[in-house]
Amino acid sequence: GNSVTQMEGPVTLSEEAFLTINCTYTATGYPSLFWYVQYPGEGLQLLLKATKADDKGSNKGFEATYRKETTSFHLEKGSVQVSDSAVYFCALIIGAGGTSYGKLTFGQGTILTVHP
Amino acid sequence: SAVISQKPSRDICQRGTSLTIQCQVDSQVTMMFWYRQQPGQSLTLIATANQGSEATYESGFVIDKFPISRPNLTFSTLTVSNMSPEDSSIYLCSVEGVGRIYGYTFGSGTRLTVV
Repeated sequence: GNSVTQMEGPVTLSEEAFLTINCTYTATGYPSLFWYVQYPGEGLQLLLKATKADDKGSNKGFEATYRKETTSFHLEKGSVQVSDSAVYFCALIIGAGGTSYGKLTFGQGTILTVHP
Repeated sequence: SAVISQKPSRDICQRGTSLTIQCQVDSQVTMMFWYRQQPGQSLTLIATANQGSEATYESGFVIDKFPISRPNLTFSTLTVSNMSPEDSSIYLCSVEGVGRIYGYTFGSGTRLTVV
């Protein structure tokens, strides 16, 4: 089946520190990969995406590169801000075929807290 | 991308009662999804709701407990029936974006507490 594994949290950083949240996946097909962010008390927002190998998704200073050889999609940001404090979810979807078609599979989420 | 309005945003309910959650989308979509996020956990898909047909439930979820309606292409409801404290979760609806590879849009969620 399909699965997503994220690094265990919580992650606590000081403002302007470098952020990496690891994400690896297993998939029966050729997935598209996503990072979602959930700010306190809110629903999920799509942060960035990548649909094929070596694609780099980027948004709001965050980046993640689709690495097929290592089945990874690690999230990075060069300088975090207090406002980045949230829960981050890595997710995948299989593009076509099979019973998993159209269904997002999520990682367990990583809580990020950024201190001033 | 689609804009989703989900109601109620939160509720506190007595055990044994039922709550119906509404999801309204500002555009027509084929597939709508309902997820549950238990406290401190990730999201788990409950069911897929297609207009004009019965919802498709994931393993561990049944229609008697989580009946779903999908009367048209912009609206769906999820009912949490005969609630117990274990049903305390955030419930989110989701719709596909412009082509599935562009990601899915989520509602802001319904935070349910059962006492």
